[in-house]
Amino acid sequence: NAGVTQTPKFQVLKTGQSMTLQCAQDMNHEYMSWYRQDPGMGLRLIHYSVGAGITDQGEVPNGYNVSRSTTEDFPLRLLSAAPSQTSVYFCASSRGLQETQYFGPGTRLLVL
Amino acid sequence: AQTVTQSQPEMSVQEAETVTLSCTYDTSESDYYLFWYKQPPSRQMILVIRQEAYKQQNATENRFSVNFQKAAKSFSLKISDSQLGDAAMYFCAYLDGGATNKLIFGTGTLLAVQP
Repeated sequence: NAGVTQTPKFQVLKTGQSMTLQCAQDMNHEYMSWYRQDPGMGLRLIHYSVGAGITDQGEVPNGYNVSRSTTEDFPLRLLSAAPSQTSVYFCASSRGLQETQYFGPGTRLLVL
Repeated sequence: AQTVTQSQPEMSVQEAETVTLSCTYDTSESDYYLFWYKQPPSRQMILVIRQEAYKQQNATENRFSVNFQKAAKSFSLKISDSQLGDAAMYFCAYLDGGATNKLIFGTGTLLAVQP
């Protein structure tokens, strides 16, 4: 199993551009989440999904959209990138509620 | 709202020695889960250990063990026989027993291992 994979590893955007961060898992996990990691702040939840077709907002959802059309994939869309979205983004998945979450390798995003 | 506090931004330990990383949390829930994750320079978040709040016994994983004090809301990580590969950022995280499956992270402790 590849586990949780994320692409790209690194991306530079200009303010106002849009892009999609990809996340996929091959463990048939129901729950998937997106977090962002900023210096000195730990990780914060952006959006999460409890199954295909079901998503909800986390702690810092503004400026991001998600969808979950399949169990395997959970893309994160930046609609109009802002410098405040410069961060490292992690995707995570778990088998079910209260189960351990496994993280992807992260995507480093720089918005100029 | 639940919060997680790691009061040690940086720690250092000699190789083969023991080190304890501190974590406290605040919650009004009785059912929850606690984790320690390791983040080496590669940035990968790696699960170190998991503790269920309803279990009185402290979790252990090889050289890693926790001291879970539910009444004090304390969850420290002890690393025994420290190795150079243990050098990393360590995050304490809280997961509530509700439907969001949301992990709440502390700000991390950077552990250096001296040869």
